[in-house]
Amino acid sequence: DAGITQSPRHKVTETGTPVTLRCHQTENHRYMYWYRQDPGHGLRLIHYSYGVKDTDKGEVSDGYSVSRSKTEDFLLTLESATSSQTSVYFCAISEAGSGDTEAFFGQGTRLTVV
Amino acid sequence: GENVEQHPSTLSVQEGDSAVIKCTYSDSASNYFPWYKQELGKGPQLIIDIRSNVGEKKDQRIAVTLNKTAKHFSLHITETQPEDSAVYFCAAPYGGYQKVTFGIGTKLQVIP
Repeated sequence: DAGITQSPRHKVTETGTPVTLRCHQTENHRYMYWYRQDPGHGLRLIHYSYGVKDTDKGEVSDGYSVSRSKTEDFLLTLESATSSQTSVYFCAISEAGSGDTEAFFGQGTRLTVV
Repeated sequence: GENVEQHPSTLSVQEGDSAVIKCTYSDSASNYFPWYKQELGKGPQLIIDIRSNVGEKKDQRIAVTLNKTAKHFSLHITETQPEDSAVYFCAAPYGGYQKVTFGIGTKLQVIP
């Protein structure tokens, strides 16, 4: 398995609180992605990074921010969690871009906002 | 952005039968089409991919076909086995090579 670790694996938080999810890779891949997975919607891209300090928005970026200060870490922050952000979040990495090469996914983080 | 449509959303087959999942895409410039399999409680994993310079690719019981003119590609699984039961996602790139759009997923159930 590709060296991707997501933490935490499960989290329950209250509406309005900030939440940070972490993705750590040991593969030295350039690209890192955050997706959310919801029934009926498949996998939707939140944000992605194409290098240290280089990030861009995906299709569902509202309410989320990201940071990548090191190659191996990509953080996803919910500034003020809402119930609509209850979801399973997946991190993925890719050596040359998921639109050209394989993406490797982490095990997911199940986030519940109550 | 890229619009990827996938169907069916659910599929039940008897063990040993074949399963076919179809996807269409909108961006004629797309040239890389991966298929991912997601088992329960896990992240998706690539099972096969195809580039636009070929029309078909096969890997044991799994094959993918691509029709660039019609802008659709399909996953074929032959001699299905219970361990093939999972959710399958197609994907197509958009905005260049940096990212993909995923289809909605197909839940495949192989009945023993």
